[in-house]
This record gives sequence, C-alpha cells and structure tokens, in this order.
Amino acid sequence: EADIYQTPRYLVIGTGKKITLECSQTMGHDKMYWYQQDPGMELHLIHYSYGVNSTEKGDLSSESTVSRIRTEHFPLTLESARPSHTSQYLCASGDRGEDSGELFFGEGSRLTVL
Amino acid sequence: LAKTTQPISMDSYEGQEVNITCSHNNIATNDYITWYQQFPSQGPRFIIQGYKTKVTNEVASLFIPADRKSSTLSLPRVSLSDTAVYYCLVGGGYNKLIFGAGTRLAVHP
Repeated sequence: EADIYQTPRYLVIGTGKKITLECSQTMGHDKMYWYQQDPGMELHLIHYSYGVNSTEKGDLSSESTVSRIRTEHFPLTLESARPSHTSQYLCASGDRGEDSGELFFGEGSRLTVL
Repeated sequence: LAKTTQPISMDSYEGQEVNITCSHNNIATNDYITWYQQFPSQGPRFIIQGYKTKVTNEVASLFIPADRKSSTLSLPRVSLSDTAVYYCLVGGGYNKLIFGAGTRLAVHP
C-alpha cells in the first residue's frame, strides 16, 4: 500500500474562498506531483517538485500555487476559488533514480466550487 | 519530452489476452516506459516498467522492441475487473511525467 494521503477527499465551497488541498507522503520520496483530472478526461500535470524548496509549473496552466517546505508535504492552494476550478486533484510521489517512473497516487481531492 | 500515442479504446472478453500498443517515436536514451491502470474516481496505479526487451510481473508483461519506439502491454486472461483506462508514460528520473489520453479497455462477459 502506498503511504500517500490527501485531504479533504471532498470539498464544496463558494466562489472567492481560499482553499488548501493537503498532500502528505511517508515514503521519503523526493519527487511530488499534482495532477488535475475532470471526469472521464485525461490527467493534466499542474505542479511538481523534486525536493524541498523546489517547485515547478506543469503543462497545464493553473491559478493554484504549491509549496514544498518539508519533504513529506506538498500542499496546493487556490487563493480565490472559481467554478472553473471544479475538478479532481490528484497528488503523487516518486522515488529518486533514473529508472523510477513509478508514481504512487493519493485517493484524490474532489473540489466543487459553487 | 517523448509524446505517446495509444488507441483510444479497446474491447475484449473475459479470459482473452489483451495487447495494448503505445508509440513513442521520440523516446530519449535515458527514458523508461511505464504503464498505469486507472479506475473511475481513483488515482492511477503502477502496473509495470521497462527499458528494453521484455519485462514480466505477476499482472502483466511489457514488450519493448530494440528501437524502443513502441511498447506493448500484455494482460493475460483478462477479467471484468480489468475494465479500466491504461496509460503509457515515457520518462523517469527527474523528468516530469505527462499522462496522455490513455486507452479505455472494456472487458465483456
């Protein structure tokens, strides 16, 4: 079993609110990722990190921000939620190493913005 | 980053072997090939990874030809529970991992 946790699992919130989606892993992985996925659609990489104090934007432009102050923690923040942010957000982590394409995913956070 | 191309969907029946092929013409020398399975409302789950030739584990086999421009995921004797979306990814190490559209596999009774 992968030791990566996301909270909250479900969140319904009004427009303009600030939200933070939490992601924690206990495997000591250097690499962490945030993907966004709408129902029945493909995953889009929005943020990734290769270690503490390292964050990069992914291929899909996102108004969210991330931080990596501790190895095990990679929270995603939306300063002002909008209905267009409604989606599922999936966090993943992976070990270092050239051959490590294996990612462990959390169960996801499903966000609905009214 | 190597782009991958897979069939959008496939159909099969219980007990059959299913082969899903992925094209990755621009694969780099240090790229690995990784396959994931995703069920609705869940995060993807790692299935298998390889660099060249053939890799086999308890759930699948991965065939990679010498030029590494494609790979084939083989699922032996599928069951209804194998109905899912299957993604082929190319990369690894400190490359960002980009998921494509994946292949929707439907297994019928």
